[in-house]
Amino acid sequence: QVQLVQSGPEVKKPGESVKVSCQASGGTFKTFSFSWVRQVPGQGLEWLGGMIPLFGTPNVAQSFQGRLTITADQSTSTFYMELTSLRSDDSAIYFCARASVPTTVNTFLRFWGQGTQVTVSS
Amino acid sequence: DIQMTQSPSALSASVGDRVTITCRASQNINSWLAWYQQKPGERPKLLMYDASRLSNGVPSRFSGSESGTEFTLTISSLQPDDFATYYCQQYNSYLWTFGQGTKVEIK
Repeated sequence: QVQLVQSGPEVKKPGESVKVSCQASGGTFKTFSFSWVRQVPGQGLEWLGGMIPLFGTPNVAQSFQGRLTITADQSTSTFYMELTSLRSDDSAIYFCARASVPTTVNTFLRFWGQGTQVTVSS
Repeated sequence: DIQMTQSPSALSASVGDRVTITCRASQNINSWLAWYQQKPGERPKLLMYDASRLSNGVPSRFSGSESGTEFTLTISSLQPDDFATYYCQQYNSYLWTFGQGTKVEIK
């Protein structure tokens, strides 16, 4: 059974950076696409970016290019996102999610982490 | 990026009603579309994928269809457990995008 366990809540000041982790268990880590999706309170889901650890090249949504870094550590089956230059409107729940079909980007998100609350406030 | 326009943004319905939610893609996405259900305080749950394939354990009252770049999620007979927010998501190109969501509320 695939499980994704995310790191705990974060409180940051504007201008700071935050790094969120997502540890995967069950299944092969490196061959599946992992994504970060965020949800601002009361709003919809927003895909931030993702990567297949085997290939090592992340894809980042245009809105976050230059601010979002996505990495993966195959030795610990952990997926990371780091968002810099935080603003108050970055306050949201950040979910990691894993795709269903390996080694392709044409696949949907079957497994989701529990979410990590990031609060940006002065 | 491919834009996904979902409608309506919210609807009120009664138990037993037939409910239809639509998602329109800004370009061809080759049936690479998923639907998710999300309840307050919970993570999203996969309902359907490849436009019309039901995910494991999802009741058969849910169905999906497509016509060109327009995709439809139908709940044939709304049940109390179905009151939630529904999102479409395209995975045609690796800049995935979600629709804005449709909140299904109790009338």
